[in-house]
Amino acid sequence: EAGVTQFPSHSVIEKGQTVTLRCDPISGHDNLYWYRRVMGKEIKFLLHFVKESKQDESGMPNNRFLAERTGGTYSTLKVQPAELEDSGVYFCASSQVWNRGSHEQYFGPGTRLTVT
Amino acid sequence: DAKTTQPPSMDCAEGRAANLPCNHSTISGNEYVYWYRQIHSQGPQYIIHGLKNNETNEMASLIITEDRKSSTLILPHATLRDTAVYYCIVRVVAAGNKLTFGGGTRVLVKP
Repeated sequence: EAGVTQFPSHSVIEKGQTVTLRCDPISGHDNLYWYRRVMGKEIKFLLHFVKESKQDESGMPNNRFLAERTGGTYSTLKVQPAELEDSGVYFCASSQVWNRGSHEQYFGPGTRLTVT
Repeated sequence: DAKTTQPPSMDCAEGRAANLPCNHSTISGNEYVYWYRQIHSQGPQYIIHGLKNNETNEMASLIITEDRKSSTLILPHATLRDTAVYYCIVRVVAAGNKLTFGGGTRVLVKP
């Protein structure tokens, strides 16, 4: 079974540019999450999709971040315009709908974003 | 989600058992204890979880005290590949419940 995949693995952009990160969850996983770790900080939750609907976007830092999951399959996270403080590693995770006693999240390898 | 407290770092000898403590004194009755780890340059990886009974899988064992205020993750035979940051997370198991990561414990397995 293929795991969670993310693209690109690395991205270097200039301040003010736009970047789009992509996440492909494990097939059949309705729950999709975005997290990020900025330099020296802890991993922080950004938002959560259930299929194509945003269930919780309480962690989105500001309106420069836009996440979509059209069709309930893969998801994109767009940062526009990028700022220096957006640099970090962005992780995507997926999980199945409620599975009694389980519900672990499977993470992708992350996208390392560097804004210069 | 209840707050957890872990030591910032610990060393372990290769081949020996690694015992990673976690305090979660404010845990509530419907909260599970989850452990994840992050090996350098990889995404976090699920290890194990439990409610009140001790649990064991192919990766580790989880020992939860009777009052549920603390737990210990045991890696029975640590290898160099177990070097990682280990996170103890307490959360309600519900559809879509997010993970709240703390600082974790940085475990260095030495030959």
